[in-house]
Amino acid sequence: GQNIDQPTEMTATEGAIVQINCTYQTSGFNGLFWYQQHAGEAPTFLSYNVLDGLEEKGRFSSFLSRSKGYSYLLLKELQMKDSASYLCAVLYNTDKLIFGTGTRLQVFP
Amino acid sequence: DAGVTQSPTHLIKTRGQQVTLRCSPISGHKSVSWYQQVLGQGPQFIFQYYEKEERGRGNFPDRFSARQFPNYSSELNVNALLLGDSALYLCASSLLQGTTTGELFFGEGSRLTVL
Repeated sequence: GQNIDQPTEMTATEGAIVQINCTYQTSGFNGLFWYQQHAGEAPTFLSYNVLDGLEEKGRFSSFLSRSKGYSYLLLKELQMKDSASYLCAVLYNTDKLIFGTGTRLQVFP
Repeated sequence: DAGVTQSPTHLIKTRGQQVTLRCSPISGHKSVSWYQQVLGQGPQFIFQYYEKEERGRGNFPDRFSARQFPNYSSELNVNALLLGDSALYLCASSLLQGTTTGELFFGEGSRLTVL
């Protein structure tokens, strides 16, 4: 199978930092994506990693370790609008983008 | 520029009926993928089409079928609807078959309710 595991729910305080982890099966790996999805809306692209290391984009950063089958999404200076589901998705063999179940993040004031 | 457009946005069907969902990709995008998202879950891959040919299929029964037209728009058909088919059906487009740039753009989805 191509199971992708991420925590179901997380909570954090406005202004804080939160790290959302994702583990996946490495066979056939061809890239990892993070998407943000607000309730009732379509997913929107956040980041893409295909090589090991950290990709920084404003308040959001994403890390990948291909050998460990591990990624995380780091959100800094949390804002209330960051309350959403965060989806980890892995591209396998160029034709299947497999999503995890998503991590529902709630940011409190 | 218009994004990915899907129709209808909402629809209600009864068990045993058939449904057709439509998707228009971003202009210039040749790859269209379909996903099913049940409430509280991540999207599940159904199909990918590139240049009018099926290039990938997820673990869905044969009741699910799709096609891509010469203008790269796509239709998803589901026959003999079951209650469990109730979900948000998402269409995503990308420029290439392999999304090497990570730019997979989603439409707002078609929310199907089966009664």
